[in-house]
Amino acid sequence: EIVMTQSPATLSVSPGERATLSCRASQSVSSNLAWYQQKPGQAPRLLIYGASTRATGIPARFTGSGSGTEFTLTISSLQSEDFAVYYCQQYDNWLPITFGQGTRLEIK
Amino acid sequence: EVQLVETGGDLIQPGGSLRLSCAASGFTVSSNYITWVRQAPGKGLEWVSVMYPGVGTYYRDSVKGRFTISRDNSKNIVHLQMNSLRDEDTAVYYCARVMQELDDYYMDVWGNGTTVIVSS
Repeated sequence: EIVMTQSPATLSVSPGERATLSCRASQSVSSNLAWYQQKPGQAPRLLIYGASTRATGIPARFTGSGSGTEFTLTISSLQSEDFAVYYCQQYDNWLPITFGQGTRLEIK
Repeated sequence: EVQLVETGGDLIQPGGSLRLSCAASGFTVSSNYITWVRQAPGKGLEWVSVMYPGVGTYYRDSVKGRFTISRDNSKNIVHLQMNSLRDEDTAVYYCARVMQELDDYYMDVWGNGTTVIVSS
């Protein structure tokens, strides 16, 4: 099973600033990585797949990068609606599908 | 509109059984990968099971032999039958469509979740 580790656990950033979230895989997952956003009481929402492809309707301020074992989700110019929990998920080793433990992005 | 709606969550005693349902609209479940993901209170996301478009069902180790995923094509619904429930199965259960494009498998449509509480 591929273990996904996200850092930091909590990130405090001011609105309008940039946030950088990290995700590391225990072995290479190539570019087979997705990012999801989850707000309290809501289902997760797909943001990025293929490590860097934005899903339909996702604003350009969300950028995914990386390959192999190191991945980054960058949110430029944070908006109030961006404060949420973010999860990475690998699908290179298809089963079991594994998620990171999440990064909580909070308002500073 | 492409949508998934889960139902069936409840408060159940340890050892009991429950069947969750995931009703799809706007697409056909038999032509798609459908997966169940759960989230224990205050915790992260945990994959539970997946059903392939053709044949093929898979489970995480901790639910193998206890959970069964199935599909009713006539109603466009996917079920998750959960037997021998344990305290640690307490979670919000989400169903999601897994979109497959070449080497990419991503969960692009999610339901709102249904809550299962296992407690005496």
